Amino acid sequence: DTEVTQTPKHLVMGMTNKKSLKCEQHMGHRAMYWYKQKAKKPPELMFVYSYEKLSINESVPSRFSPECPNSSLLNLHLHALQPEDSALYLCASSQSGLARETQYFGPGTRLLVL
Amino acid sequence: QKEVEQDPGPLSVPEGAIVSLNCTYSNSAFQYFMWYRQYSRKGPELLMYTYSSGNKEDGRFTAQVDKSSKYISLFIRDSQPSDSATYLCAMSLAGGTSYGKLTFGQGTILTVHP
Repeated sequence: DTEVTQTPKHLVMGMTNKKSLKCEQHMGHRAMYWYKQKAKKPPELMFVYSYEKLSINESVPSRFSPECPNSSLLNLHLHALQPEDSALYLCASSQSGLARETQYFGPGTRLLVL
Repeated sequence: QKEVEQDPGPLSVPEGAIVSLNCTYSNSAFQYFMWYRQYSRKGPELLMYTYSSGNKEDGRFTAQVDKSSKYISLFIRDSQPSDSATYLCAMSLAGGTSYGKLTFGQGTILTVHP
């Protein structure tokens, strides 16, 4: 099973709302990633967790707050977002976070901020 | 100059054509090279993975890496309408603190018409 699942599929939120995106994998992977993808652009890395510890934060604004409760789950908490944050948010996982590993992507959550 | 350059297309070909997709890069430290396929409103799916220079073939797909020229290619033989998607090249550094950080090209939009 090489599936990464993400919920919800779509999310519409106002600028004052608080919401969370969820990601789950059952491949036994110990590295998980959040990417942001704008229309007709490549994915941009936001965060990397390796063995449940935050390894990379690509200078993401604090209105995005990641959380890795265990090795199978990854959350992205959203608060006071801006309309320019509207995008497809992708989760990925890999064996342990090494460069040579394959990353498996989920289908994404399409976020619209009004 | 972007680290990875990829012609965004769009590229339109008839069914059965051979498709050639290319990326150039500037950082000679990249060691792992990937091609992802992304259908509209879906997450990227790994198609091909190559380490260092060389060729790799999988069915109708062939990936080539020429590290001396800093150039990678993906060939699709006997293209099908189901190959219509955005193709993203991606690469990563070996070791260090880069973890699994992927650097993507801009993506090439491919349409195969019957």
